[in-house]
Amino acid sequence: DAGITQSPRHKVTETGTPVTLRCHQTENHRYMYWYRQDPGHGLRLIHYSYGVKDTDKGEVSDGYSVSRSKTEDFLLTLESATSSQTSVYFCAIRTTGGEQYFGPGTRLTVT
Amino acid sequence: DAKTTQPPSMDCAEGRAANLPCNHSTISGNEYVYWYRQIHSQGPQYIIHGLKNNETNEMASLIITEDRKSSTLILPHATLRDTAVYYCIVRAYSMNRDDKIIFGKGTRLHILP
Repeated sequence: DAGITQSPRHKVTETGTPVTLRCHQTENHRYMYWYRQDPGHGLRLIHYSYGVKDTDKGEVSDGYSVSRSKTEDFLLTLESATSSQTSVYFCAIRTTGGEQYFGPGTRLTVT
Repeated sequence: DAKTTQPPSMDCAEGRAANLPCNHSTISGNEYVYWYRQIHSQGPQYIIHGLKNNETNEMASLIITEDRKSSTLILPHATLRDTAVYYCIVRAYSMNRDDKIIFGKGTRLHILP
């Protein structure tokens, strides 16, 4: 599993509240990714990071921000959660060989 | 990255080989074929990847045609635990800062008892 953990694993929050999801890795991989997964849409890339303090947008970045102050942690923040952000969120790392390994996911419900 | 085409769903009997096809007719010379799968409620799992030679690991075999325009993932003895969505992705190996993977819709494989 490449030492990837996500927290929390489940969260219910109200519309308009800020939410931060954490991804933690133990193997010093440079690249980290945040995806969301929704029925009928498959996996969609939100943001990714190619090093400490180096991040960029993916295909569905609106309403999300990220930060990476340490190699091992990649944070995804919903500044003001909306019901459309109800989803399952996956974090991933990429190895030097090019493979991606995924965390167990966070199920977020915005009511 | 080159576009891939996969059947939306397939069935396979338990104990038989599951052969999952992927078309990638616009693949470039420096692009690899990667396969991932996602079992229900779990994160996607890397399976195998290759450039032009056939590859085998403890999970599966990857057969790439000589013209590299299509490939087949083979699960040699499918079990019920192999029921999952299988994603074929074509991408160049890159250490560039903007490297990312885009997942398509994949093939939903049902292993039948």
